[in-house]
Amino acid sequence: AQSVTQLGSHVSVSEGALVLLRCNYSSSVPPYLFWYVQYPNQGLQLLLKYTTGATLVKGINGFEAEFKKSETSFHLTKPSAHMSDAAEYFCAVSDSSNNNDMRFGAGTRLTVKP
Amino acid sequence: KAGVTQTPRYLIKTRGQQVTLSCSPISGHRSVSWYQQTPGQGLQFLFEYFSETQRNKGNFPGRFSGRQFSNSRSEMNVSTLELGDSALYLCASSLDRVGDTQYFGPGTRLTVL
Repeated sequence: AQSVTQLGSHVSVSEGALVLLRCNYSSSVPPYLFWYVQYPNQGLQLLLKYTTGATLVKGINGFEAEFKKSETSFHLTKPSAHMSDAAEYFCAVSDSSNNNDMRFGAGTRLTVKP
Repeated sequence: KAGVTQTPRYLIKTRGQQVTLSCSPISGHRSVSWYQQTPGQGLQFLFEYFSETQRNKGNFPGRFSGRQFSNSRSEMNVSTLELGDSALYLCASSLDRVGDTQYFGPGTRLTVL
């Protein structure tokens, strides 16, 4: 079965600094990979998703992620952090081996310091 | 298109009671999944319904149940509530095809006293 590991439950960056949130996945077949963001007391909002094709995926709010099959990684980056980026971020994976079952990582809480 | 809606948004119950939460998916979406989110356990998959049938199930006791109606709306029920059931319950809908994005509702915050 597929699974996701997010390295670092908390990440703190200064405003304007690079944001890097790490995600590694495990899947026996080609995966579909997602990053979601959750603001306090809200549901999850899709940031970006990888299906097939181009390995660099651009999402909303200036975020992007690169699918690296050799490293089984799908790290999320943003060149310059903004205060409004402070939230919890979840990486998720699904694949054809289990219908529409989506597995989420434990989440990474991003803090942005002024 | 209207997003996923969940009702109620907030709920307070006491131990031993039962509760029913409702989820209306995005129009045209046939798959509805439910998740429990707590600070300690994170996001945990409860179950998924497609065409009124439970297709996937997570590792939760039988006190947690759900159903889906012909219009794809879904309900989940928790019987004999325990303190540990306090959580944010999230519903997500998708078209169904593997790899489809799941779109989440705002959640129902359940507090068990």
